[in-house]
Amino acid sequence: EPEVTQTPSHQVTQMGQEVILRCVPISNHLYFYWYRQILGQKVEFLVSFYNNEISEKSEIFDDQFSVERPDGSNFTLKIRSTKLEDSAMYFCASSDQDVSGGYTFGSGTRLTVV
Amino acid sequence: DQQVKQNSPSLSVQEGRISILNCDYTNSMFDYFLWYKKYPAEGPTFLISISSIKDKNEDGRFTVFLNKSAKHLSLHIVPSQPGDSAVYFCAASARRGGSNYKLTFGKGTLLTVNP
Repeated sequence: EPEVTQTPSHQVTQMGQEVILRCVPISNHLYFYWYRQILGQKVEFLVSFYNNEISEKSEIFDDQFSVERPDGSNFTLKIRSTKLEDSAMYFCASSDQDVSGGYTFGSGTRLTVV
Repeated sequence: DQQVKQNSPSLSVQEGRISILNCDYTNSMFDYFLWYKKYPAEGPTFLISISSIKDKNEDGRFTVFLNKSAKHLSLHIVPSQPGDSAVYFCAASARRGGSNYKLTFGKGTLLTVNP
């Protein structure tokens, strides 16, 4: 079964440092997403990406965040200057055109900002 | 801004009985609803979905019911099995233009199925 792969599984970083979270979506999917879940809270939408550009972003996704699909297979989320409140599980997901089958989520990267 | 609400943080049922997980929504633009299951240290896994033009969708032990007038949906699992123990998330989408399928999630319900 095809899967979405995320690396690393756990990242610890100092406040103010830049982090890059990496994802390899399912190869024939066209839509890519980042979501996050702060401990004990709901899964929140960050950004969607289609046709090599951001199609929608939430208010959480401010200027500190950026996404890239640098080589046609990887999909990255960069946080330029991390804050303590960025600590969360970050989930990458991908989907084809039909949402009825749901997205496929990766296992997540646990980001801890200290 | 809780557009998707799961008011029960937890539910405990006996193996073999029915589990009913509930979800309410407020946004009338939502036209697709999905249920996801999540185990600790894993990403959410898609279970079942329903379009707003239907009121029921069934897949094996899982059935989702949609009441549009009440803006309410429920997931029925029957018979419940211990392996069903997980957090269940309700999610909704307002499909638009083929370019984005953003999902809005509820807070989740922890289901525990006791042997």
